[in-house]
Amino acid sequence: EAQVTQNPRYLITVTGKKLTVTCSQNMNHEYMSWYRQDPGLGLRQIYYSMNVEVTDKGDVPEGYKVSRKEKRNFPLILESPSPNQTSLYFCASSPRGTAYEQYFGPGTRLTVT
Amino acid sequence: AQTVTQSQPEMSVQEAETVTLSCTYDTSENNYYLFWYKQPPSRQMILVIRQEAYKQQNATENRFSVNFQKAAKSFSLKISDSQLGDTAMYFCAFMKVVGGNEKLTFGTGTRLTIIP
Repeated sequence: EAQVTQNPRYLITVTGKKLTVTCSQNMNHEYMSWYRQDPGLGLRQIYYSMNVEVTDKGDVPEGYKVSRKEKRNFPLILESPSPNQTSLYFCASSPRGTAYEQYFGPGTRLTVT
Repeated sequence: AQTVTQSQPEMSVQEAETVTLSCTYDTSENNYYLFWYKQPPSRQMILVIRQEAYKQQNATENRFSVNFQKAAKSFSLKISDSQLGDTAMYFCAFMKVVGGNEKLTFGTGTRLTIIP
């Protein structure tokens, strides 16, 4: 089954404790992206990647890091999480250059206390 | 920068009725893409319908159709014969591929409730 998976689905952590949210797709997509969803703000892009070893900032990259060492994986790293990073996070992927459909993962609910 | 506005935070309609969700956007671009995504309580983002700006014909997918008015920068979603499973948050989104970035710019969403 073609899908984007994220882990964990739920996470409660404390301020300053480094964490990684994993994202993996099995569709051989070149393009991957991370969004955060906050009430009243919709979804906003954090980082994106056009291919292996090619990543760039989106609209709200502060406090986040990403890496793309393999085509299928695109982890989101929070080196020192803060309460304002409490949000719902989505990973998405698509075949690059199609502008057709982006496949979204199931979401990760992160709470930073 | 592009912006997407959904002016109806919440809507409700009786089952089997027709409902229209509004969306306007602001861009100086001529070629772009517009989408409606559905987010049910499961939180999964599901593509409902897609429209290419260069196409004059409005997109349709079964009970879902759009009214795309390019000059007015309006992109409304019509749901016919609404069903209980249509209850969800609906997001309008704009895409213009820039430098390889297929970023979706989302509106703030409309929460739709279908009443039995």
